[in-house]
Amino acid sequence: QVQLRESGPGLVKPSETLSLTCTVSSGSISPYYWSWIRQTPGKGLEWIGCVYYSGSTNYNPSLKSRVTISVDTSKNQFSLRLNSVTAADTALYYCARGGPGRITIFDYFGQGTLVTVAS
Amino acid sequence: QAVVTQEPSLTVSLGGTVTLTCDSSTGPVTTAHFPYWFQQRPGQAPWPLTFDTTSRVSWTPARFSGSLLGAKAALTLSSAQPEDEADYFCMLSFGGVLVFGGGTKLTVL
Repeated sequence: QVQLRESGPGLVKPSETLSLTCTVSSGSISPYYWSWIRQTPGKGLEWIGCVYYSGSTNYNPSLKSRVTISVDTSKNQFSLRLNSVTAADTALYYCARGGPGRITIFDYFGQGTLVTVAS
Repeated sequence: QAVVTQEPSLTVSLGGTVTLTCDSSTGPVTTAHFPYWFQQRPGQAPWPLTFDTTSRVSWTPARFSGSLLGAKAALTLSSAQPEDEADYFCMLSFGGVLVFGGGTKLTVL
């Protein structure tokens, strides 16, 4: 069974960069899409963007100017960088596996990691 | 950006049937939105249920079925069980931009 695990700092200062990594085990990075999703009690769920195993990306237009998602196939990992964070970026962040060659389905999720933006 | 709307809460009797819907602010939901549904219990990660409007994920019980109902995507739960009490979310694709609904809190009485 494919497993995903998010890792990274749980606390980030305002204006700094949030960095998270998702490690994939019991499965290969290829030939899938890999997404980041966040969830807050107030705003609900928000798709941040995704990366294909080849490295091509697709971002939510609402976050595109601040987001970079990358993949490292040698480590079976993909990563999220969100810069210039504010308190509004405080959320539970999930990584998820998309379909082979498509983004419109998630079949596996990580357990999520809480990131708080505060000084 | 499009807004996806779900019923905030619904109640179903044990053994009963309930339909949850997923509406788009941009117009009728179609198969081209690739409707996707998942379940989430408190404190747990999302649990995928259906995709591409009607397809079940391999582990999804047959009592869950996805469809289009008029201008909306729908998830119908038949023979509701106590373990089906949870939040349910839909997701639609708008030209490759994925948007989630606000979720429906389902209570099984």
